[in-house]
Amino acid sequence: GENVGLHLPTLSVQEGDNSIINCAYSNSASDYFIWYKQESGKGPQFIIDIRSNMDKRQGQRVTVLLNKTVKHLSLQIAATQPGDSAVYFCAETPYNFNKFYFGSGTKLNVKP
Amino acid sequence: DGGITQSPKYLFRKEGQNVTLSCEQNLNHDAMYWYRQDPGQGLRLIYYSQIVNDFQKGDIAEGYSVSREKKESFPLTVTSAQKNPTAFYLCAVGGTAGSKQYFGPGTRLTVT
Repeated sequence: GENVGLHLPTLSVQEGDNSIINCAYSNSASDYFIWYKQESGKGPQFIIDIRSNMDKRQGQRVTVLLNKTVKHLSLQIAATQPGDSAVYFCAETPYNFNKFYFGSGTKLNVKP
Repeated sequence: DGGITQSPKYLFRKEGQNVTLSCEQNLNHDAMYWYRQDPGQGLRLIYYSQIVNDFQKGDIAEGYSVSREKKESFPLTVTSAQKNPTAFYLCAVGGTAGSKQYFGPGTRLTVT
């Protein structure tokens, strides 16, 4: 809620720069991944997803990269804007499983 | 969100009282979920339901109860047995088998 982002790792970028947010996952059986954006006091907002049969997926100004070998996921935001300031976290789930596991998140601070 | 409603946005209760949080959806999803969010931590699953009249405990179900009498509704009761109930509570909906989850706007519960 209002305290989302407290004690989280913070990434500070200048407006217009590209941002890269990273997420390490531990379950090698994880097959489906989602990136969420959460603004203070609000529910998480779906940004982009990727399945394990892909290593890259692009959306509008965002790209998700998946490296299954080292169990690493990243979110790239192009031309970062002040409105991108929020907490970003990844979620993972194994195939045919109904539960997601969530990272604690990274706070993105965009300086105008 | 958009099709997911959580009410109220803020809720205050005295210790020892049960309180019920509402979650309603009009997205026609079978699966519904309740998560708890604490500052600096990832979302933790309380309960989930994949179909009407059926639900399963998540990772932190103690002190909580749910019902799923209608597809559209999945209320969560925070009982007096929950030792640390103050938190941000998020409802989510999604298809089964590792498909997208969408979140509601959340309810901030404060128990004093």
